[in-house]
Amino acid sequence: DIVMTQSPDSLAVSLGERATINCKSSQNILYSSNNKYYLAWYQQKAGQPPKLLIYWASTRESGVPDRFSGSGSGTDFTLTISGLQAEDVAVYYCQQYYTTPLTFGGGTKVEIK
Amino acid sequence: EVQLVESGGGLVQPGGSLRLSCAASGFNFSNYWMHWVRQAPGKGLVWVSRINNDGISISYADSVKGRFTISRDSAKNTLYLQMNSLRAEDTAVYYCARYNTAYHAVDYWGQGTLVTVSS
Repeated sequence: DIVMTQSPDSLAVSLGERATINCKSSQNILYSSNNKYYLAWYQQKAGQPPKLLIYWASTRESGVPDRFSGSGSGTDFTLTISGLQAEDVAVYYCQQYYTTPLTFGGGTKVEIK
Repeated sequence: EVQLVESGGGLVQPGGSLRLSCAASGFNFSNYWMHWVRQAPGKGLVWVSRINNDGISISYADSVKGRFTISRDSAKNTLYLQMNSLRAEDTAVYYCARYNTAYHAVDYWGQGTLVTVSS
């Protein structure tokens, strides 16, 4: 199975500042036929299901604010929230969908400092 | 509007069975692969199973293989998860989720249904 390792487990950021979440895959998740990384980022607010933010490592889902961005290559990926808003308080998960079993990172809890 | 509505959760004794349902609407259900993902209280997300659009290709997590069965009824736009030989560690909120094969990501999730396995 592909192991997804997220860091940090939690972080506190001041309103308007940048939050950076890292995710590392234990194996390659680049699909060679389309040159896409099969990595997604989800946001889960308390008491709600996850919401898709980013797919293919860097493509923002429709309707997601542009302060959310994804980047990375190889086995290292990053979710950046540029200008944290109060409504961004949540747990964020990375997930690989390169192969089954689909696997998630352990989550990063983002709070306001 | 895409909607996924799970039902069938509840309290069950160890060794018991439950069948979860997920009613889909707002999209052509028969065109989409579907997944079940669970989340134990206070814990992270764990993939459980997936079924392709025609129900032929199925995959399970090792932890549920041989105990859980995923299926779908396109006439009823409904996804199912039959859970047998339930264990305390199966206690979780179970989410059904739609897999978008256009960009290969899970793009919609239901609100989830809570399964509690306890004596």
